[in-house]
Amino acid sequence: QVQLVESGGGVVQPGGSLRLSCAASGFTFSGYGMHWVRQAPGKGLEWVAFVRSDGSSRCYADSVKGRFTISRDNSKYTLYLQMNSLRTEDTAVYYCAKGMYYFDSWGQGTLVTVSS
Amino acid sequence: SYVLTQPPSVSVAPGQTARITCGGNNIGSKSVHWYQQKPGQAPVLVVYDDSDRPSGIPERFSGSNSGSTATLTISRVEAGDEADYYCQVWDSTSDHHVVFGGGTKLTVL
Repeated sequence: QVQLVESGGGVVQPGGSLRLSCAASGFTFSGYGMHWVRQAPGKGLEWVAFVRSDGSSRCYADSVKGRFTISRDNSKYTLYLQMNSLRTEDTAVYYCAKGMYYFDSWGQGTLVTVSS
Repeated sequence: SYVLTQPPSVSVAPGQTARITCGGNNIGSKSVHWYQQKPGQAPVLVVYDDSDRPSGIPERFSGSNSGSTATLTISRVEAGDEADYYCQVWDSTSDHHVVFGGGTKLTVL
């Protein structure tokens, strides 16, 4: 069965950096687009970034463009999110999600807290 | 950018039918997807491409989409259906592509 396991979350100061990983299993990772979606405490879902199955194309929400970078290593079945210049408003649970036009599987999420 | 509008809350008695709407400009021309999220859990896809159900999702969950409104319908509502529900589209006309609605809290009375 499909499994997505996020890691790398934690507490970081404003202006700091963090790298999230999402380990995938149970499906052919290289055949699917992948996304990062976040959810601030008590708030709704916010799409963050997308990468095509072969990594050839990426897009970002305006709120993270220029600060976050999505990437993938298909040989390792792993999705990444490099987060730089973190702000307090980036505090959220970050989910990786499988699919291109919709998300048929989600990880359990990893909490990122940006606080001084 | 494209905006999806959902009511913040919907309440329904057990056994009745819940309808959760998702409004957007000419949303009927897009494919709409719906997610259920229970407290402390990741979202789960319950309807995709307007009206299709993933395997394992009960037939009580159905969807429709026309004009400026998409609707998630939950028939014979159960206590276990109490959750937040989000609609989502892929907007090919923008760089951002993925748009979520603000979410609707379904309360089972």
